[in-house]
Amino acid sequence: AQTVTQSQPEMSVQEAETVTLSCTYDTSESDYYLFWYKQPPSRQMILVIRQEAYKQQNATENRFSVNFQKAAKSFSLKISDSQLGDAAMYFCAYTYKETSGSRLTFGEGTQLTVNP
Amino acid sequence: DSGVTQTPKHLITATGQRVTLRCSPRSGDLSVYWYQQSLDQGLQFLIQYYNGEERAKGNILERFSAQQFPDLHSELNLSSLELGDSALYFCASSVIQGAATEAFFGQGTRLTVV
Repeated sequence: AQTVTQSQPEMSVQEAETVTLSCTYDTSESDYYLFWYKQPPSRQMILVIRQEAYKQQNATENRFSVNFQKAAKSFSLKISDSQLGDAAMYFCAYTYKETSGSRLTFGEGTQLTVNP
Repeated sequence: DSGVTQTPKHLITATGQRVTLRCSPRSGDLSVYWYQQSLDQGLQFLIQYYNGEERAKGNILERFSAQQFPDLHSELNLSSLELGDSALYFCASSVIQGAATEAFFGQGTRLTVV
């Protein structure tokens, strides 16, 4: 079974600084996708960034980037120039390629606090 | 706004009761997923429907059931409710393109069982 582990229940960062959230996963599949979702106090699940396992290049979305280490099954999220609005719960998620859809397996989450 | 609509936003009910949660997917999305977010279990996949048919089951209790209607909206039915069923229930939808695609989440229904 696929599992996703986030070993940091809580993290904090100073505004404008950089923070890295860790995620490891376990799978026997070769074609899969990894995601970081953000859940602010509004509870909405918002996709931050996505990585396809077959792509060697790390995904980047503005201030958000990932460090994808396929052999190590590691998928960390780096947030640069942190802003107060980045404060939220962050979930790492995994899904594998299947014709019927893309159900997600989530990690436990990391609560990120941004200090002014 | 993700385009996925869930109703109601909040629900308070007593143990032993039955409730129905409703989800309208994004226009054009054929697949609907239900997830449960609770303090002790985290975010867990419950069930998936694709174009009206059940496609995958996760950790869904026998007291829970779901269906997807011809207009593609979905309902999650929770019966014989227990205190431990209190959670945030999310619906998500995606377009099937033969590969994993982004799932768009609704704002969730907060269920409180008292």
